[in-house]
Amino acid sequence: ELKVEQNPLFLSMQEGKNYTIYCNYSTTSDRLYWYRQDPGKSLESLFVLLSNGAVKQEGRLMASLDTKARLSTLHITAAVHDLSATYFCAVDPYGGGADGLTFGKGTHLIIQP
Amino acid sequence: DSGVTQTPKHLITATGQRVTLRCSPRSGDLSVYWYQQSLDQGLQFLIHYYNGEERAKGNILERFSAQQFPDLHSELNLSSLELGDSALYFCASSVVPVGDTQYFGPGTRLTVL
Repeated sequence: ELKVEQNPLFLSMQEGKNYTIYCNYSTTSDRLYWYRQDPGKSLESLFVLLSNGAVKQEGRLMASLDTKARLSTLHITAAVHDLSATYFCAVDPYGGGADGLTFGKGTHLIIQP
Repeated sequence: DSGVTQTPKHLITATGQRVTLRCSPRSGDLSVYWYQQSLDQGLQFLIHYYNGEERAKGNILERFSAQQFPDLHSELNLSSLELGDSALYFCASSVVPVGDTQYFGPGTRLTVL
């Protein structure tokens, strides 16, 4: 059974600081997704990483994928309050997309002024 | 707005009842996925339909069923409802099932009393 583990599960940080969220998964896969969810809202797609070494950046967020280590990271640079949300990583277990995504438990991020 | 629509937004019903949740994918998307989000189980994949045919099942209970119609909208039927079925139900759509971003709808919040 595929397991996707995120850490930390809860993170409180100050504006202007940098931090990294880690996502480890237990099976071979080269398809890794990051989503954001605001309270009571739906999931918003942030990044799709489709190969080993893939790196994508959008604003203050940067995601990377190391398929050999089965690890993805989401790095936050100079955090601002608007980035407060829950961040999920998700893995396509067999790379074919047919089986749906397996999600981590999410990282609840609070950014304080 | 992802372009995926779901109705109703909220549903309150009693144990033992049956409900139907509806999802319309983004224009042009052939794949529809259903997910359940609850506090104790997190986000779980339920079932995937592609162009009218079932492609994969996840942790879907036998009391639950789904279908995708020729116009590509999908319905998730939940029967013999139990208190533990209370959750947020999301559908997501993508153009193709392989390595494509899944766009999530706003969700249906089901409360079983």
